[in-house]
Amino acid sequence: NAGVTQTPKFQVLKTGQSMTLQCAQDMNHEYMSWYRQDPGMGLRLIHYSVGAGITDQGEVPNGYNVSRSTTEDFPLRLLSAAPSQTSVYFCASSYSFSTPVEQYFGPGTRLTVT
Amino acid sequence: GQNIDQPTEMTATEGAIVQINCTYQTSGFNGLFWYQQHAGEAPTFLSYNVLDGLEEKGRFSSFLSRSKGYSYLLLKELQMKDSASYLCAVERAGNNRKLIWGLGTSLAVNP
Repeated sequence: NAGVTQTPKFQVLKTGQSMTLQCAQDMNHEYMSWYRQDPGMGLRLIHYSVGAGITDQGEVPNGYNVSRSTTEDFPLRLLSAAPSQTSVYFCASSYSFSTPVEQYFGPGTRLTVT
Repeated sequence: GQNIDQPTEMTATEGAIVQINCTYQTSGFNGLFWYQQHAGEAPTFLSYNVLDGLEEKGRFSSFLSRSKGYSYLLLKELQMKDSASYLCAVERAGNNRKLIWGLGTSLAVNP
């Protein structure tokens, strides 16, 4: 199993550009989520999904869209990048949202918006 | 409100024991996770506590007191590779089990 994969690893965007961060898992996990991690802020939940076709907002959803058309994939779209979105983005998955289980994190995408 | 407090940094010596504390105040509590994160890498799961008491897993143990809103992670026989950030995360009741994350404790293990 590859686990949770994310692409790209690094990205530089100009203000106003849009892009999609890719996330895939091959563990047939039900629950997937996107976090951003900033110095002094800890991990913050952006969006999450409890199954294909179902998504919901986390703490900091503004400026981001998600979709979950398959169990495996959970892309994160930045609609119009802003410098405040400079961060490290982690995708995570777990096999259930109905019982407490560990989350498996992808390697992260380091995004800089200039 | 919701708040999780951990010390920002700690230093310890190889072979020693270190205790990393986490205190929390949240509306609704299901359980508490500890994750390890090496610099530039993703967090990885260490432990989950839902009941009061100590859970031991090899060199790592985690303790929870629900009444005191307190947890600690105990690392024994420290190794250089234990130098990392240790994240405490509280799982809230309801709300699809969302986690509230602490800022992490950066542990430096010196020879």
